[in-house]
Amino acid sequence: KQEVTQIPAALSVPEGENLVLNCSFTDSAIYNLQWFRQDPGKGLTSLLLIQSSQREQTSGRLNASLDKSSGRSTLYIAASQPGDSATYLCAVNTGFQKLVFGTGTRLLVSP
Amino acid sequence: ETGVTQSPTHLIKTRGQQVTLRCSSQSGHNTVSWYQQALGQGPQFIFQYYREEENGRGNFPPRFSGLQFPNYSSELNVNALELDDSALYLCASSLGGRGKNEQFFGPGTRLTVL
Repeated sequence: KQEVTQIPAALSVPEGENLVLNCSFTDSAIYNLQWFRQDPGKGLTSLLLIQSSQREQTSGRLNASLDKSSGRSTLYIAASQPGDSATYLCAVNTGFQKLVFGTGTRLLVSP
Repeated sequence: ETGVTQSPTHLIKTRGQQVTLRCSSQSGHNTVSWYQQALGQGPQFIFQYYREEENGRGNFPPRFSGLQFPNYSSELNVNALELDDSALYLCASSLGGRGKNEQFFGPGTRLTVL
């Protein structure tokens, strides 16, 4: 059974810092991995999708990497801003587009 | 291009009642998946519909059922509501019933069971 873990559960940083969020999964047989952002009480916004054959994806200040063999992904956020405050979720696609989610990292960026 | 929409936004029901939640998929998408997100948890996969057929189901009892229409919109029905059904219900749409396509989520329906 696929399990996804995210560390840390919560993170508080001052504005301008670079930071790394971690995601690990137990079964390397995945189709892809997606990182999402969720604001309180809201739906999920897709940030980055990495296919199983890829090593990383970049979008603006965000960079996600994938090491499928070791079951790890990281989301790097450069020059953090207060608007980045949200919960970040990673999810692995185990086939037929069924996503298995971690419990998220709650990020607070202080001005 | 229209994104994924869900209705209603919020809903309050009492234990034992039945509820129907609705989802309109993003234009061009033929697959809808439903997820339940309890407070402080990651979303849990309920089931997926691809071209009007159920195409995979998570660990949810039969009182959770669904439907997909010819225009690919979808409904989630929950019978005999229990207190633990209180959660944010999310639907996601994508293109294709299998494989590697990105999923796009709607804003969710917040269900409270009293």
